[in-house]
Amino acid sequence: ILNVEQSPQSLHVQEGDSTNFTCSFPSSNFYALHWYRWETAKSPEALFVMTLNGDEKKKGRISATLNTKEGYSYLYIKGSQPEDSATYLCAFMGGANNLFFGTGTRLTVIP
Amino acid sequence: ETGVTQSPTHLIKTRGQQVTLRCSSQSGHNTVSWYQQALGQGPQFIFQYYREEENGRGNFPPRFSGLQFPNYSSELNVNALELDDSALYLCASSLPSGRAGDTQYFGPGTRLTVL
Repeated sequence: ILNVEQSPQSLHVQEGDSTNFTCSFPSSNFYALHWYRWETAKSPEALFVMTLNGDEKKKGRISATLNTKEGYSYLYIKGSQPEDSATYLCAFMGGANNLFFGTGTRLTVIP
Repeated sequence: ETGVTQSPTHLIKTRGQQVTLRCSSQSGHNTVSWYQQALGQGPQFIFQYYREEENGRGNFPPRFSGLQFPNYSSELNVNALELDDSALYLCASSLPSGRAGDTQYFGPGTRLTVL
């Protein structure tokens, strides 16, 4: 069983604050790292698929970095807004097409 | 939304019963993966279907089985339900591109409660 860990487990920030979360994954047999944003009662929404060491991806105020050699990825949110409140999941893909998920970071942005 | 739909939204079964969950993939996607999310955990891979054939399986017993139809919709069947099968079941569709790391597009899930 692959070990994908996310920290922190939950986070409360004030509107306007910037924040970041960590995803740790095995550094061997790396194929891709996925980030998803999951709001309550909705479908998980794909944010990024990252495949190359040193990758940086950005979507609006959200960005992510990838270090495959040491097995971690950071997700950053700049100027958090209440609509950013959600659970952020990362998932490791190690060759086959199945995803190994972490348990997520639950973000609450306080207006 | 992703265009992936699942039915039913919720259902309640008793131990020993059988259940069928359904998933309609995004238009044009020929691959469907199923995941189980138990309380407090991340989604866990059950199996994947590609062009109507099983294409990989996670650590789930044989009483978890699936089908994919010519229109690429899919079913997850669970026999002899156990209390621990209570979970959110997610399906995700994708279209293999030959590149690394194809995006999987998720449905909203089916919440199964086993009493």
